[in-house]
Amino acid sequence: DTEVTQTPKHLVMGMTNKKSLKCEQHMGHRAMYWYKQKAKKPPELMFVYSYEKLSINESVPSRFSPECPNSSLLNLHLHALQPEDSALYLCASSQDGAGTSYNEQFFGPGTRLTVL
Amino acid sequence: AQRVTQPEKLLSVFKGAPVELKCNYSYSGSPELFWYVQYSRQRLQLLLRHISRESIKGFTADLNKGETSFHLKKPFAQEEDSAMYYCALSGGYQKVTFGTGTKLQVIP
Repeated sequence: DTEVTQTPKHLVMGMTNKKSLKCEQHMGHRAMYWYKQKAKKPPELMFVYSYEKLSINESVPSRFSPECPNSSLLNLHLHALQPEDSALYLCASSQDGAGTSYNEQFFGPGTRLTVL
Repeated sequence: AQRVTQPEKLLSVFKGAPVELKCNYSYSGSPELFWYVQYSRQRLQLLLRHISRESIKGFTADLNKGETSFHLKKPFAQEEDSAMYYCALSGGYQKVTFGTGTKLQVIP
């Protein structure tokens, strides 16, 4: 399997709901990422996990809570979101996340989130 | 801080014409530069990176440190090149900053 998969494809939630986004890869990659992409804007990095440990948090509000249960799986738990959080959430993975040199990131198709 | 600027939101060229997508960056150290592409209804994917110095699908990009630029070029545009192109910069540790993107439209 050489792809990053994301579920669900679409999610609609209310501001009081709790939901989770899921990302999976079976390429043996040890770094995984969450990006947020608003319409007609570039992806913005949210979190980076390297060897299952959170290595980068780009000052993301606590209503977004990432989790990396194992090297193949990455979750993003959502709670008390605001309508302005509506966006496409992209997951990516790369071979290594520990070194300083860049490794190609492989992107998933994204989850389109709408917060009502 | 790292910043990437793509001045053109939309670039329209005729098939067979040369293409140049502009990218300028701001970074105090030695960054790695990339071009990512997103074709219609497909996921974002890496097109090329400056350290590879290779040509992918006829595209090349040269890092000009003096002008802090990394423009993407192709001598003859093809219809299948129509896509969204993002210039991106990494200052290390997997942190990537994307430019605002340029939509390339190749007119038959």
